[in-house]
Amino acid sequence: EVQLVESGGGLVQPGRSLRLSCVASGFSFDDYAMHWVRQVPGKGLEWVSGISWNSGRIAYGDSAKGRFTISRDNGKDSLFLHMNSLRPEDTALYFCAKGDLLEDALDIWGQGTMVTVS
Amino acid sequence: QAVLTQPSSLSASPGASASLTCTLRRGINVETYRIFWYQQKPGSPPQFLLRYKSDSHKYLGSGVPSRFSGSKDVSANAGILLISGLQSEDEADYYCMIWHSDVWVFGGGTKLTV
Repeated sequence: EVQLVESGGGLVQPGRSLRLSCVASGFSFDDYAMHWVRQVPGKGLEWVSGISWNSGRIAYGDSAKGRFTISRDNGKDSLFLHMNSLRPEDTALYFCAKGDLLEDALDIWGQGTMVTVS
Repeated sequence: QAVLTQPSSLSASPGASASLTCTLRRGINVETYRIFWYQQKPGSPPQFLLRYKSDSHKYLGSGVPSRFSGSKDVSANAGILLISGLQSEDEADYYCMIWHSDVWVFGGGTKLTV
């Protein structure tokens, strides 16, 4: 079964840092692009960042540029999001998602990990 | 103006069809984009439904019923998600998405009530 499990969320003070993790199983992790998408409870989806299979291509949404860093460890089937200088408006449920290429559909999603900045 | 605009809500009756629109900002030509559609039910992550660029370039997600289909209204510069034979289980939020200027952009979502 293809599965993505996020962790690392929690309550953090403004200005502090946090690292999210996503562990993949059930597919060849190093063949696929991966993404982070966030959602404020009760609101819409916002793409945060994406990384190609070999980390050769990385892209960020406007809200993440300069503060967040996406990375992956293919040897550990893991995706990461390092978030610095956190703001209250970063409070959201953070999903990791899988895609074929960076610009292909995000076809499998995890359940998300909640980040609260307060 | 937002890149993608979706009506906030839509209501339709069981057994009927629902047409959900995703309008691209003026200057962004819908004909050149693949439109992706997602369904999200409360407490669950989004589920990929389909991708549509044209009738010859479309893809229905794995396990997605054929009641879901995509199209475009070029005159309105919009992508369309058509759901036929509506069922109560189709009640959900629906999001469109495009790859634009090397980033993914979501529409604001449409809450479909059946």
